[in-house]
Amino acid sequence: GAVVSQHPSWVICKSGTSVKIECRSLDFQATTMFWYRQFPKQSLMLMATSNEGSKATYEQGVEKDKFLINHASLTLSTLTVTSAHPEDSSFYICSALYHRQPSYEQYFGPGTRLTVT
Amino acid sequence: QKEVEQDPGPLSVPEGAIVSLNCTYSNSAFQYFMWYRQYSRKGPELLMYTYSSGNKEDGRFTAQVDKSSKYISLFIRDSQPSDSATYLCANTGGFKTIFGAGTRLFVKA
Repeated sequence: GAVVSQHPSWVICKSGTSVKIECRSLDFQATTMFWYRQFPKQSLMLMATSNEGSKATYEQGVEKDKFLINHASLTLSTLTVTSAHPEDSSFYICSALYHRQPSYEQYFGPGTRLTVT
Repeated sequence: QKEVEQDPGPLSVPEGAIVSLNCTYSNSAFQYFMWYRQYSRKGPELLMYTYSSGNKEDGRFTAQVDKSSKYISLFIRDSQPSDSATYLCANTGGFKTIFGAGTRLFVKA
């Protein structure tokens, strides 16, 4: 399957600081990328959908000013958690969409574990 | 009713058993169905996807879609301890994917 990378794989930061997470699609150009959040033993929660060159679409309840998403190229999307707080500690996973009829394949990155102290 | 329902388990089976994982979905307009495997503290890995109904086989894995009953299944033959993971089903159409809660599978050696 296709490869999606994420960096960093884990990060610890202090409350009030900002953290940037990068997501790269290595095998194909992804016009659409997704950002998810996952709490322990729970399923994926979609935070936002980003399309290259346009503003991200955020899911209800997700603060767009807190979770800044930039999809500057067909292979790179970034998520910046601004003014992080302990409740933002979670596992963040990005996903890149490969959609060529009849294929619809969504590939995930390995995830980034964020701990805010 | 959730758009994709999946029993969270856990499901525990002996090595070599045939495993059956199931989901139901509600949106009949979504034509793509996917199964993911997720190991602890890792991102989900796409195992199989099917378009519309029918079966698809890949090695020890078989994905099945029954659109009449809105039922999707993943069968794992000759299960191995390395298959122990959480399996997520997903249903998608256009650019929105709905995931099930995931079923935790344990394969005992």
